[in-house]
Amino acid sequence: DAKTTQPPSMDCAEGRAANLPCNHSTISGNEYVYWYRQIHSQGPQYIIHGLKNNETNEMASLIITEDRKSSTLILPHATLRDTAVYYCIVRGWSGGSNYKLTFGKGTLLTVNP
Amino acid sequence: EPEVTQTPSHQVTQMGQEVILRCVPISNHLYFYWYRQILGQKVEFLVSFYNNEISEKSEIFDDQFSVERPDGSNFTLKIRSTKLEDSAMYFCATEASGANVLTFGAGSRLTVL
Repeated sequence: DAKTTQPPSMDCAEGRAANLPCNHSTISGNEYVYWYRQIHSQGPQYIIHGLKNNETNEMASLIITEDRKSSTLILPHATLRDTAVYYCIVRGWSGGSNYKLTFGKGTLLTVNP
Repeated sequence: EPEVTQTPSHQVTQMGQEVILRCVPISNHLYFYWYRQILGQKVEFLVSFYNNEISEKSEIFDDQFSVERPDGSNFTLKIRSTKLEDSAMYFCATEASGANVLTFGAGSRLTVL
């Protein structure tokens, strides 16, 4: 799986958008970009994933650059409960095969009141 | 929302004892994974499992570890003879065929004394 690079920490004011960057310059054509987060020592929580198009769900938006070498996770209105470690993960996938997720150190996002 | 259930939530054991951690996957999920997280460190992949076989295992997953689905529903991780360094949070994750999303349980905290 391609490696990812994320800043170790970021701060965001409550109510503002949080934009978390991720570099994945060695990503392959069949690899997806996934975002998970981990609040304290809880199990990782799925946020969103995408291949090349931008994606949006009830939690966040994922913006992937045209060359797919980087992406940004956007939490539109961050709350205190969004304070967590956010992981950007590149994962290969093909139907019928289960590829593991490989976690890095992630970005600790602290949302401040 | 469907959940992956893990038991026990916390287990304390003596070094050298056998431990079994249990996971109840989401109904119709066919792919299973175990991860561990030593305090303050990254989430590490241990093993993936599909169709009653190990699909992939990491170098951490040595002969002391084993996995099985004893009754077609539960998915277990057994550590035969625990060591101090096995102290960690163990997370089970499951995935439906074609879903592309791993759902993690809340974890089992193992403390080896």
